[in-house]
Amino acid sequence: EDQVTQSPEALRLQEGESSSLNCSYTVSGLRGLFWYRQDPGKGPEFLFTLYSAGEEKEKERLKATLTKKESFLHITAPKPEDSATYLCAVHTGTASKLTFGTGTRLQVTL
Amino acid sequence: NAGVTQTPKFQVLKTGQSMTLQCAQDMNHNSMYWYRQDPGMGLRLIYYSASEGTTDKGEVPNGYNVSRLNKREFSLRLESAAPSQTSVYFCASRQGTNEKLFFGSGTQLSVL
Repeated sequence: EDQVTQSPEALRLQEGESSSLNCSYTVSGLRGLFWYRQDPGKGPEFLFTLYSAGEEKEKERLKATLTKKESFLHITAPKPEDSATYLCAVHTGTASKLTFGTGTRLQVTL
Repeated sequence: NAGVTQTPKFQVLKTGQSMTLQCAQDMNHNSMYWYRQDPGMGLRLIYYSASEGTTDKGEVPNGYNVSRLNKREFSLRLESAAPSQTSVYFCASRQGTNEKLFFGSGTQLSVL
């Protein structure tokens, strides 16, 4: 059975304090790993897709990386507006199967 | 650009009542999905429609039915609501099987 585990569950950072969120997975046949951002009361919003080990993608203060067992979302010099829950999901063999982790709640304070 | 639109945003039901959650997308996507999100559980797939005219069960289909009315619209029906169905429901769509999902803003459902 595919499993996705995100850590930590919650993270509090001061503005400018860089850190990383972890998404570890146990799946058969990874076809893609997705990162989403979710603000309170809203639906998840797409950030990145990674398809193979060694791949990296960047957007503003966020950088996502992928190995054969895990993905990291690095946040450099975060700002309060980066506060949100970050979800990762893995797409495996069947067309419909996208397994989500439970997310990391990030709070960035001044 | 509306994207994925869900109605209603909030709903309170009594046990045994029925209701339909509506979802429409204006991106000409082939695939549409219904998820539920519960604290500590992550998003779980209820039903999906890979293309117009087809529907399939996901991870947690019991107690739900769906209808893919046309390419734009995909509804989720609770025939006899139960307290265990209290959750936040999200509709999503995407063009291809390994493409990113676009989510609606959700329906917060409480069953008393």
